[in-house]
Parts: sequence; structure tokens; C-alpha cells
Amino acid sequence: AQTVTQSQPEMSVQEAETVTLSCTYDTSESDYYLFWYKQPPSRQMILVIRQEAYKQQNATENRFSVNFQKAAKSFSLKISDSQLGDAAMYFCAYRSADTGNQFYFGTGTSLTVIP
Amino acid sequence: NAGVTQTPKFRILKIGQSMTLQCTQDMNHNYMYWYRQDPGMGLKLIYYSVGAGITDKGEVPNGYNVSRSTTEDFPLRLELAAPSQTSVYFCASSYGRLDTQYFGPGTRLTVL
Repeated sequence: AQTVTQSQPEMSVQEAETVTLSCTYDTSESDYYLFWYKQPPSRQMILVIRQEAYKQQNATENRFSVNFQKAAKSFSLKISDSQLGDAAMYFCAYRSADTGNQFYFGTGTSLTVIP
Repeated sequence: NAGVTQTPKFRILKIGQSMTLQCTQDMNHNYMYWYRQDPGMGLKLIYYSVGAGITDKGEVPNGYNVSRSTTEDFPLRLELAAPSQTSVYFCASSYGRLDTQYFGPGTRLTVL
């Protein structure tokens, strides 16, 4: 099974500053999808950004961008101009493009935004 | 659209009791999923369905059952509740296998 590792259990950032959350994964597959999900205190899982492994260009969604390094199996999330509403748990997830319906999630990073 | 709705939001069960967690989506999605999230962990897939009448096991199916009689509904059944099933349960849906999954708000279940 694939594994997804988030090595930062907790992170904090000053409001309006930039923060980067790390994620690494282990796979022997060449085609797959990577995701960052946000889980605020309401518990609902919200998709932040999605990256297809065959695309070399890094995905961007407004203040959120990723640094996808396929050879290094690294998928970090950068949040620019951090806002109080960005405070949440962030989960990195992996999904194969070829086989099955399994999502593999990391253990999450708790982000605190300091006013 | 309401998206994905789950009921109940909270539930406390005694060991050995049974219950059904309800999940409904109004987006005409083919795929539906049940996950559990234990404290400090990511989500793990319990069961999924690729369409009405078709279900399959995920990573942690033991102790659970599902059915999919309609496109909209995907209930999760716990037959003999055990303390190890204390968790937060999320339902999700997607149009296709590789499409974005939309999650419900979750059900917090405690088994005492």
C-alpha cells in the first residue's frame, strides 16, 4: 500500500505571512493524483488543491499553491497571505490513477494562524 | 444543492448495539464512499460503491455493512458495536472514479 507522510504535526504562521506544509509519499506507480484537504473545527473535509502527477506544472488556487517534486515524491502546500480562516487541520492525500478506489491520507498538520 | 448530508451528527452506543449511519447526496454522483477518522489520524476507507447495487470493501471493512439501492443513498450499518468503532465517520461522493470527492459533515460515534 502507498504511504503518505506529513512530518509536521503542528505549524503556526503570522497573519498575512506565508507558510509551507510538507508532504512526502511512497509509491511505485507513475500515474496518480495528489490532494490537499482542509478540515476546520466544523470537521467537514474541504478540497484545497489537486495535482495530477503527469502534469509538470504546479497547481495553484488563489493563495494556495503546491511544489510538486515527482522524483523526490514530495508535495508541499504553500499558503500565501495567511488569513485567520486558514486555521485548520490540513491533510495530504494520494490516489492511484490506475487501480482501485483507495485514498491514502497522511496524519495531518494542524495550522494555527496568529493575529 | 445540499451536497452530501449525513445523519445523525452525534451518537453514543452501548457495546453490542447496532445502528445505521445515513448518507445522502443530491449531485447525481455515481461513486460514494464511507471513511472513518480516528483521533490524530487521516481518513481510512471502509466501503465504497460505484453505482446503485454495487459495493466493495475498502481498507477497514470489518464490523460494517453497506447497501446502495438508489443513486442518492448509501447507508452504513454497524451490527455489533465495539469500542474500537469509536470514531468520526465521513461519507463522500464523486461523479467519476478520478473526480473530486465531496465530503459530508461527519458523524461522531462513541461506543461505551
